[in-house]
Amino acid sequence: KAGVTQTPRYLIKTRGQQVTLSCSPISGHRSVSWYQQTPGQGLQFLFEYFSETQRNKGNFPGRFSGRQFSNSRSEMNVSTLELGDSALYLCASSSQTVSLSTEAFFGQGTRLTVV
Amino acid sequence: AQTVTQSQPEMSVQEAETVTLSCTYDTSESDYYLFWYKQPPSRQMILVIRQEAYKQQNATENRFSVNFQKAAKSFSLKISDSQLGDAAMYFCACLPQGGSEKLVFGKGTKLTVNP
Repeated sequence: KAGVTQTPRYLIKTRGQQVTLSCSPISGHRSVSWYQQTPGQGLQFLFEYFSETQRNKGNFPGRFSGRQFSNSRSEMNVSTLELGDSALYLCASSSQTVSLSTEAFFGQGTRLTVV
Repeated sequence: AQTVTQSQPEMSVQEAETVTLSCTYDTSESDYYLFWYKQPPSRQMILVIRQEAYKQQNATENRFSVNFQKAAKSFSLKISDSQLGDAAMYFCACLPQGGSEKLVFGKGTKLTVNP
């Protein structure tokens, strides 16, 4: 069974640009969550999608958005990039049902550098 | 709101020895999971062990075990017979139940294993 796949692995963008990151969950998993990891703030929850609906959102500005497709693949978008957006972005999928949470399986992340 | 605290930014252990990583958490939820994740330099977050809060018995996975003290909101990880491959960042995380995969992570503990 293939794991969680994130693309691309590395990205370098210029301040003010926008970027789209992709996450393909484990087959059969309907929940996809996104996290931002930085040395200063650690791992912070961005948002979670379940069956194409955003169920929860972390404390990030509106420049951060996401969506989930019918095949459970998810994308996150960051517009008007700032230097502080440089981070490792991790995606996690889980096989939870509507009310039962289970363990999350993580991808290898996308390393975003904003210059 | 949930918080997770790891008070040891760095720890070291000799190969074959035992080491304990500390974690305390705070949550108002009555039902939740606790996890220890390992993040090696490859960046992939790997689940080490998990504990359901309603279970009194401490979880074990081979050389890894936890000491779960629910009243004290403490969740420490013990690694026995440490191996060089155990060197990594270790993150403690809390997942409240209720239908959303929003993991709250501690800042992490960097474990070094000395040969």
